[in-house]
Parts: sequence; C-alpha cells; structure tokens
Amino acid sequence: AQSVTQPDIHITVSEGASLELRCNYSYGATPYLFWYVQSPGQGLQLLLKYFSGDTLVQGIKGFEAEFKRSQSSFNLRKPSVHWSDAAEYFCAVVDNYGQNFVFGPGTRLSVLP
Amino acid sequence: GAVVSQHPSRVICKSGTSVKIECRSLDFQATTMFWYRQFPKKSLMLMATSNEGSKATYEQGVEKDKFLINHASLTLSTLTVTSAHPEDSSFYICSARDWGQGVEAFFGQGTRLTVV
Repeated sequence: AQSVTQPDIHITVSEGASLELRCNYSYGATPYLFWYVQSPGQGLQLLLKYFSGDTLVQGIKGFEAEFKRSQSSFNLRKPSVHWSDAAEYFCAVVDNYGQNFVFGPGTRLSVLP
Repeated sequence: GAVVSQHPSRVICKSGTSVKIECRSLDFQATTMFWYRQFPKKSLMLMATSNEGSKATYEQGVEKDKFLINHASLTLSTLTVTSAHPEDSSFYICSARDWGQGVEAFFGQGTRLTVV
C-alpha cells in the first residue's frame, strides 16, 4: 500500500522568505501527486497536481512543486512567502488505479511578520 | 473548477440524537464520493467511499451502523451520524470525483460537528 510522509510537522518562516515543504511517497510506480492547503476550519484547496510530463509543475498562489522519481519526492516550493500562506499543507497520492487518496500527515506553516 | 458544497458548515447536537451532513457536487456528476474525518491537528482519515446507487464501502474500524452514508444521486451524498456521542465530535469532509474526468477529487468546505 502506498504511503506519504511529510517530515516537517511545523515550519516557521519570515514573510518574504523562501519556502520548501517536503513530501515523500512510497509506491512502486509513479502515482498521481497532489498538494492541498487547508486554512483553519476550512476544507481543502488544491494548489497543484502532477500526473505526467514536465516534472516541475506550477500551481496557484505562486506555488510550484517538483517531482523527483529517483527520490520519490514531490516537494512544494514558493520563492517568497506571504502572511496569508499560513495554513496546513497536505501532500496526497492516488495510485494508478485511481483509487483512494492517501494523505500525508500535514505540515503546519507559520509566517512571521 | 468543479465545486463541492457541504452543508452545514457547523452543527451542534445533543448526545443521542442523529445529524445529517450533505455533500453536493454543483457543476459535475459525482460518480464517487468520499467521506473523511479529521481530528484536531491531524490528517484526513478516510471513513468510506460511495459510488452512486451502490452501498458505501467502509474503511476498517468505521462503524457502518453509526455512520450511514447514502449516495442516491450523482450530485448528492449524505452522511448521517446516528445516536451521536461526544466522541463523534470532529471535522468531517467530503470529496467527490467524476471518473469521466479523471482521478482528481474536489473537496467540500467541511462540517464541524460538536456533540454536547
């Protein structure tokens, strides 16, 4: 069964600083990969997704992620963080059969003014 | 993008009563809907998967008699928490997928259930 790890439970960055959130998955083939953001008390908003093709994908709100097959990683990046980016971020995978989403444990991002 | 509406966003109910949460796909046909439970500061835990017109498939450890799921149409699924107890208090999120459009699923806004 596939699994997703997000090694960082909580990250704090200063506004304007760059950000990288880590995501590693365990799956034999290339899964479908997603990053979601969740504000407190809210549902999940899709930031970006990777299905195939270019391994660097662009998302909304200035986020991007890079798929690295050799490292089984799909790290999320943003060059300059805004205070409104403070939220919980979830990495998720779906296997090639398109079954259930498997979510990582999440990384909470705090932004210092 | 596709929109999933979940209602209510917050509900408080008395212990022993039942509460129903609705999940609607507003602009697409949801062939599959998923129900998740999220504990504070935790990730999403899949409770069950439902395909339109079929019985829901529950994950191990989820009581199907307590969490009744109905997916009677391609745009509506409901989760009914029966005989609710304080330990059922949680954040419940639904998501919906149209298999004809691929594997991507779209999430509702979530429902905060508090059982007093």
